Amino acid sequence: TQLLEQSPQFLSIQEGENLTVYCNSSSVFSSLQWYRQEPGEGPVLLVTVVTGGEVKKLKRLTFQFGDARKDSSLHITAAQPGDTGLYLCAGVDSSYKLIFGSGTRLLVRP
Amino acid sequence: NAGVTQTPKFQVLKTGQSMTLQCAQDMNHNSMYWYRQDPGMGLRLIYYSASEGTTDKGEVPNGYNVSRLNKREFSLRLESAAPSQTSVYFCASSDSGRGNIQYFGAGTRLSVL
Repeated sequence: TQLLEQSPQFLSIQEGENLTVYCNSSSVFSSLQWYRQEPGEGPVLLVTVVTGGEVKKLKRLTFQFGDARKDSSLHITAAQPGDTGLYLCAGVDSSYKLIFGSGTRLLVRP
Repeated sequence: NAGVTQTPKFQVLKTGQSMTLQCAQDMNHNSMYWYRQDPGMGLRLIYYSASEGTTDKGEVPNGYNVSRLNKREFSLRLESAAPSQTSVYFCASSDSGRGNIQYFGAGTRLSVL
């Protein structure tokens, strides 16, 4: 069974601080996706990374896929209260199903 | 454009009762999925349907059944609800030709007493 471990589970920071969320696995994935989920809503896709070593930027969010395609990170620069939410990584397995990590709950305090 | 619509949004059941969660998508996607989300455990796949007329078990299928009624609709049935099925249930759909980007509904919050 493929597993994805996310860390940290919870993060409470002050507005303006930087943070990094990690997503690690012992398995190789064909691609990896990051979703954000707000209370009372379903997850919404932020980005997909496909190539080992790939870096994608989405405004203040930087996503990186590990060289071996087993891990990924999400870095947020100068966090804002609007970044508050649950961040989920999901690996695409060989049968094109998603394997989700347990999530990182982020609170950005004004 | 509604995307993925789930009904009901909330439900309380007694142990042993049955119910069906409904899901419909208007994006002409081939694949549809049912997940459950529990605190600290992310989303776990219950059942999926790669295309109309097919269904397959996911990671946690016990206690559930599904029906792919047509290309738009995919329902999840609990025949005899148990407290362990208290969870938030999400339906999702994807066009499998686009890297399996999944679009999620807003969820059904189910409590089994």
